[in-house]
Amino acid sequence: NAGVTQTPKFQVLKTGQSMTLQCAQDMNHEYMSWYRQDPGMGLRLIHYSVGAGITDQGEVPNGYNVSRSTTEDFPLRLLSAAPSQTSVYFCASSYLGGATGYTFGSGTRLTVV
Amino acid sequence: AQKVTQAQTEISVVEKEDVTLDCVYETRDTTYYLFWYKQPPSGELVFLIRRNSFDEQNEISGRYSWNFQKSTSSFNFTITASQVVDSAVYFCALSEAGNAGNMLTFGGGTRLMVKP
Repeated sequence: NAGVTQTPKFQVLKTGQSMTLQCAQDMNHEYMSWYRQDPGMGLRLIHYSVGAGITDQGEVPNGYNVSRSTTEDFPLRLLSAAPSQTSVYFCASSYLGGATGYTFGSGTRLTVV
Repeated sequence: AQKVTQAQTEISVVEKEDVTLDCVYETRDTTYYLFWYKQPPSGELVFLIRRNSFDEQNEISGRYSWNFQKSTSSFNFTITASQVVDSAVYFCALSEAGNAGNMLTFGGGTRLMVKP
């Protein structure tokens, strides 16, 4: 089925470990983005991309890296995990942003101990 | 800067009651899009509606209805005759056409609990 695929669904990390959250879409969407969801704060934008080779920071980028080498993939890297990064992470893609709407992945629940 | 406020953090109703979830937004853009999403206990985000800034017509879909008022910068969501399956967290969100990437700004969410 076409859509946004996020892996893994669950992950537990130790403080200081690194990992990559994967996000892939097969809809040929140019726009991709990462959000984190924390209780009472809704979803906040971490990083986004408007096309292959182009990325930019969102509201809460510290501690995260992204790259966009292909249209399909937009991985999110945690270089040195901290307990403050315990959250649920959502990846989204879109053809034209608000005009066409967004497709969200099913989320990754990350716990940093 | 764009901002979305959902002042009600939690609402509890009894089944069959009507309930309205409030959403107030701020934007300097003239072209923007408003969204509502539902997040059931399973955790995924379920798209409910998209409305652009030039279309102020109210929308009804079954038991769901939306009231968009530019004069008060509000986009409220009403569930008529609520059901237990409506229990979820509901998010209002805004996307400005003038922003690079047109990314979404979310409100903090309203947790709706419908009791049998």
